[in-house]
Amino acid sequence: AQSVSQHNHHVILSEAASLELGCNYSYGGTVNLFWYVQYPGQHLQLLLKYFSGDPLVKGIKGFEAEFIKSKFSFNLRKPSVQWSDTAEYFCATNTGNQFYFGTGTSLTVIP
Amino acid sequence: DTGVSQDPRHKITKRGQNVTFRCDPISEHNRLYWYRQTLGQGPEFLTYFQNEAQLEKSRLLSDRFSAERPKGSFSTLEIQRTEQGDSAMYLCASSSVGGDRYGYTFGSGTRLTVV
Repeated sequence: AQSVSQHNHHVILSEAASLELGCNYSYGGTVNLFWYVQYPGQHLQLLLKYFSGDPLVKGIKGFEAEFIKSKFSFNLRKPSVQWSDTAEYFCATNTGNQFYFGTGTSLTVIP
Repeated sequence: DTGVSQDPRHKITKRGQNVTFRCDPISEHNRLYWYRQTLGQGPEFLTYFQNEAQLEKSRLLSDRFSAERPKGSFSTLEIQRTEQGDSAMYLCASSSVGGDRYGYTFGSGTRLTVV
């Protein structure tokens, strides 16, 4: 079965620092990859997605992710984080209509 | 469009009791999904409906769990004879055709605590 793994469980950054959250996927074929964010007390929201084309994907709120097939990676980046980016971030992939989520990375941004 | 609505937001129940959760998807979405999320984990797939038909079920969905989507609109998830291990956040999501490529819209979830 397909899966994703997130190795950073907790990340603490100061405002304006750069962010990179790791995500590795297991499947060697065609993959769809997603990053979701869950702000405190809110529902999961889609940040960005990749399924083909340009491997550098831009999402909402200044986030981007790069699909690197040779490394089976889809890392999330943001050049300068804000306090409002404090949230839980989930990488995901899917097989048909079944999504597989990573265990999540908790990001805390200190003002 | 008010998004995906779930009711109740929180439910505390005694072990052995039955509970039922409701999900109202985005009105034009014909696909509806249930996921379960426990502390420190990402959401895990439970089941999926296209219109009123339940097309996929996870092995996580034991015989005590049943989901319905009558008339292809709202859905209910029932857990019979609840156990402490059922304590989790139950998430509902919906999508139109192509949700597998474009992602879902999630609700805020129902947090179940079994005491």
